[in-house]
Amino acid sequence: AQSVTQPDIHITVSEGASLELRCNYSYGATPYLFWYVQSPGQGLQLLLKYFSGDTLVQGIKGFEAEFKRSQSSFNLRKPSVHWSDAAEYFCAVGARGRGSTLGRLYFGRGTQLTVWP
Amino acid sequence: NAGVTQTPKFQVLKTGQSMTLQCAQDMNHNSMYWYRQDPGMGLRLIYYSASEGTTDKGEVPNGYNVSRLNKREFSLRLESAAPSQTSVYFCASRGTGTDTQYFGPGTRLTVL
Repeated sequence: AQSVTQPDIHITVSEGASLELRCNYSYGATPYLFWYVQSPGQGLQLLLKYFSGDTLVQGIKGFEAEFKRSQSSFNLRKPSVHWSDAAEYFCAVGARGRGSTLGRLYFGRGTQLTVWP
Repeated sequence: NAGVTQTPKFQVLKTGQSMTLQCAQDMNHNSMYWYRQDPGMGLRLIYYSASEGTTDKGEVPNGYNVSRLNKREFSLRLESAAPSQTSVYFCASRGTGTDTQYFGPGTRLTVL
């Protein structure tokens, strides 16, 4: 069964510091992988996604993520965090396949990021 | 460009009351989804519709019904609300040939 684990419920970093948010997934084949960000009281915004090809993907707002098949991981990184990056971050795995299951997403429980000035 | 819209934004119900959450998208997407978000639980899929006229259960369908009214609209109905259904509900849509879901702003529902 598909599942996503985000081991860190809450992370605090100082503004300007680097950031890495962890994501591990369980899936029977090569998955589609996504990172979404949710600001307080808002919906989810897509940061980046991996479908195939280059395992290092670039996203919006200076974020990147690396797909590591051997570790079943898709960690999100940013070299220098800004105060506006404070939000909740969700990793998700998408089901590949035919029929109506195509496009279903399985989400992790989220990581809350706090940024200190 | 509206994208995915949801109404209402907030709602308070009493136990046993019924209501329908509305969702519409203007991106001509075939697939639509309803999720609920609870603290520490991430988003869990309630129901989805791969195309107009079809609906399927997700992870947590009990207590809910859905209607894919047409290609644009996908509604979620609570027939007899329970406090356990207090949550934030998100609708999403996805176009054919792409695997990216686009989310609405959410409906915050409280059941007393």
